[in-house]
Amino acid sequence: KQEVTQIPAALSVPEGENLVLNCSFTDSAIYNLQWFRQDPGKGLTSLLLIQSSQREQTSGRLNASLDKSSGRSTLYIAASQPGDSATYLCAVPQGGSNYKLTFGKGTLLTVNP
Amino acid sequence: NAGVTQTPKFRILKIGQSMTLQCAQDMNHNYMYWYRQDPGMGLKLIYYSVGAGITDKGEVPNGYNVSRSTTEDFPLRLELAAPSQTSVYFCASSPRQTTYEQYFGPGTRLTVT
Repeated sequence: KQEVTQIPAALSVPEGENLVLNCSFTDSAIYNLQWFRQDPGKGLTSLLLIQSSQREQTSGRLNASLDKSSGRSTLYIAASQPGDSATYLCAVPQGGSNYKLTFGKGTLLTVNP
Repeated sequence: NAGVTQTPKFRILKIGQSMTLQCAQDMNHNYMYWYRQDPGMGLKLIYYSVGAGITDKGEVPNGYNVSRSTTEDFPLRLELAAPSQTSVYFCASSPRQTTYEQYFGPGTRLTVT
């Protein structure tokens, strides 16, 4: 059974700092990995999706990497801003599927002005 | 293009009552999903559908039913509400394309007392 772990559970940083969020998964036979952002009381917004054949995806100040063999992904946020404060979730498809997602519990990020 | 919409946003039910959570998408996506998110936890898949007339169980289907009569709509039915169903419910959809990237609705916050 696929399990997803995110470390740390919470992170507080000063504005402008670069930071890394970690995601690990137990079954490396995945088709893709998706990072989401969730604001309090809101739904999820897709940030980046990395296909299994890719090692990195970039969107603006966000860079996500994927290492299937070690079962790890990282989300790098450059020059953090208070508006980046949110919960960040990673998700991978469940065993053999390419669309039924298993989620981590998320990392609550607070960027202080 | 409204994306994925969910109604209601909030609901309080008494134990044993029934209700239907509505979900609609206007992106012509084949795949649709229902997740629940308990406090401090990741999302868990309740049911999913790969097209009109086709539904299947996810990780936590007990106490719920779904139907998919059209591509656009994917309602979730709670027949006999129990306190354990207090949660935030998210509907999502994805295209049947290479990425299977999922798009989420804003959620329905349900309390059963």
